[in-house]
Amino acid sequence: EPEVTQTPSHQVTQMGQEVILRCVPISNHLYFYWYRQILGQKVEFLVSFYNNEISEKSEIFDDQFSVERPDGSNFTLKIRSTKLEDSAMYFCASGPRGHNEKLFFGSGTQLSVL
Amino acid sequence: GESVGLHLPTLSVQEGDNSIINCAYSNSASDYFIWYKQESGKGPQFIIDIRSNMDKRQGQRVTVLLNKTVKHLSLQIAATQPGDSAVYFCAEGANQAGTALIFGKGTTLSVSS
Repeated sequence: EPEVTQTPSHQVTQMGQEVILRCVPISNHLYFYWYRQILGQKVEFLVSFYNNEISEKSEIFDDQFSVERPDGSNFTLKIRSTKLEDSAMYFCASGPRGHNEKLFFGSGTQLSVL
Repeated sequence: GESVGLHLPTLSVQEGDNSIINCAYSNSASDYFIWYKQESGKGPQFIIDIRSNMDKRQGQRVTVLLNKTVKHLSLQIAATQPGDSAVYFCAEGANQAGTALIFGKGTTLSVSS
């Protein structure tokens, strides 16, 4: 079964450093998402992406965050200057139609900001 | 989202029992609902979904019930097994392209043998 893959599985960084989290969505999907989950809390929406532009973003997704689809397969989330409170599990998800459908999630990248 | 009084953060059952996990949603415009299971260290996995034109949908050992009048969603798991132990999240979506699924608070299901 096709799956969303994310790398790295764990990322440790110093506060103020830039990080890039990488995702390879399912190949025939058109809509891509980033979610995050702080330990013990619910899964929070960050941003959705379609046709090379952001479709929707949450309040969490401020100017420190950006997304990119640099080629036909990768989808990245960049945090420009990490803060302690950015420590969380970041999940990438994709879907074929973009609404009223199940999303397929990757296994996540655990980001720890020290 | 979740409303206080309906959401139980944890649920403990015996193997073989039926489990019912509840969720309340807040957006009247939501017309798509989905349950995910999350095991430790993994991403959410799809269990079952339902659209707003239905009030019940059954899968393998799972049933989702939707009550639009009170904005309530439930997941029933029949003959619960130890492998069902996980955190269960409901999520809601609106009929608009690119609109994200919004997750509620999870319920941790613990199944003992």
